[in-house]
Amino acid sequence: AQSVTQLDSQVPVFEEAPVELRCNYSSSVSVYLFWYVQYPNQGLQLLLKYLSGSTLVESINGFEAEFNKSQTSFHLRKPSVHISDTAEYFCAVRQGAQKLVFGQGTRLTINP
Amino acid sequence: DTGVSQNPRHKITKRGQNVTFRCDPISEHNRLYWYRQTLGQGPEFLTYFQNEAQLEKSRLLSDRFSAERPKGSFSTLEIQRTEQGDSAMYLCASSLALGDEAFFGQGTRLTVV
Repeated sequence: AQSVTQLDSQVPVFEEAPVELRCNYSSSVSVYLFWYVQYPNQGLQLLLKYLSGSTLVESINGFEAEFNKSQTSFHLRKPSVHISDTAEYFCAVRQGAQKLVFGQGTRLTINP
Repeated sequence: DTGVSQNPRHKITKRGQNVTFRCDPISEHNRLYWYRQTLGQGPEFLTYFQNEAQLEKSRLLSDRFSAERPKGSFSTLEIQRTEQGDSAMYLCASSLALGDEAFFGQGTRLTVV
């Protein structure tokens, strides 16, 4: 079975600083990887995804993630964060027929 | 289309009572999923439907839990004889059968007192 490990449960950063949220997965087959964002008391919103092709994927709000097969990682980065980026971020791998296996989540806190 | 809709948003119930949640997926989506999210954890898969057929159930789905999707549109998740450990956010998601993205609803937060 596939699994996902998010190495940091909380990441505090200052506004306009860069951030990296780490994600490692375990899988012996081809993977489809996702990052979801969850704002307080809300459902999950897809941030970006890797299915195939270019290993660097980008979202419309400045986040990017790089699929690294040799390191089995899919870290999420943003060069300059904003207060509105405060949320919980979940890395997920698709298993089987579109079932998602999620990591434990990383709470990103932006300090002014 | 307004996306995946879940009702109610919040439910407080006494231990031992039965509760039922409803999920209305995006209209053209064939697949519907239920997940459970406890505090400080990522969502965990419970079950999924393709049209009206329930194709997979997690071991997390004890015999007190039952999910239906009778006409292949909306779905209900019922928990019988609720326990305090059932307190969680219950998330519904839907997707196209051949699509690659699942869209999530805002969830139903259940509190068992």
